[in-house]
Amino acid sequence: EPEVTQTPSHQVTQMGQEVILRCVPISNHLYFYWYRQILGQKVEFLVSFYNNEISEKSEIFDDQFSVERPDGSNFTLKIRSTKLEDSAMYFCASRMGGPGNTIYFGEGSWLTVV
Amino acid sequence: KNEVEQSPQNLTAQEGEFITINCSYSVGISALHWLQQHPGGGIVSLFMLSSGKKKHGRLIATINIQEKHSSLHITASHPRDSAVYICAGGPGNQFYFGTGTSLTVIP
Repeated sequence: EPEVTQTPSHQVTQMGQEVILRCVPISNHLYFYWYRQILGQKVEFLVSFYNNEISEKSEIFDDQFSVERPDGSNFTLKIRSTKLEDSAMYFCASRMGGPGNTIYFGEGSWLTVV
Repeated sequence: KNEVEQSPQNLTAQEGEFITINCSYSVGISALHWLQQHPGGGIVSLFMLSSGKKKHGRLIATINIQEKHSSLHITASHPRDSAVYICAGGPGNQFYFGTGTSLTVIP
């Protein structure tokens, strides 16, 4: 079964450093998402991406965050200057169509900021 | 303000029991999703519902659009069903997630 893959599975970074989390969505999917889950809390929406641009973003997704689809297969989330509170599991997801289509999640990238 | 509420937060059941997890939402949604999160953190989509009922193996999901309520049922529960079950949905691409129901099935 096709799957969404994410790398790295776990990253430890110093506060203030830039981090790039990578995702390879399912190949024929058109909608891409990033979510985060702080330990012990619920999953939160960060951003959705369609047709090479951000379609929606939450208030969490401030200027420190950016997303890119650099080569037609990868979908990246960049955090420019990490803060301690950015420590979380980051999930990438994709789906073929918009709302009303099944969404597929990656296994997550666990980011620890020290 | 929680757009999606789940109950119970924690649930322990004996193997073989029938389990129900409830989800209420206050936002307009195009579809409601039931997700399963494994202890390692990975999330799997179980169901996507916009009306009625769906069944997959021992899992059944129902939704009442008028009452903005959905339920996930597990028949003949098994220890391998132990996981966190999350409902989520939203009006567009932005999902609101419930806090999850942590299910433990004891042999």
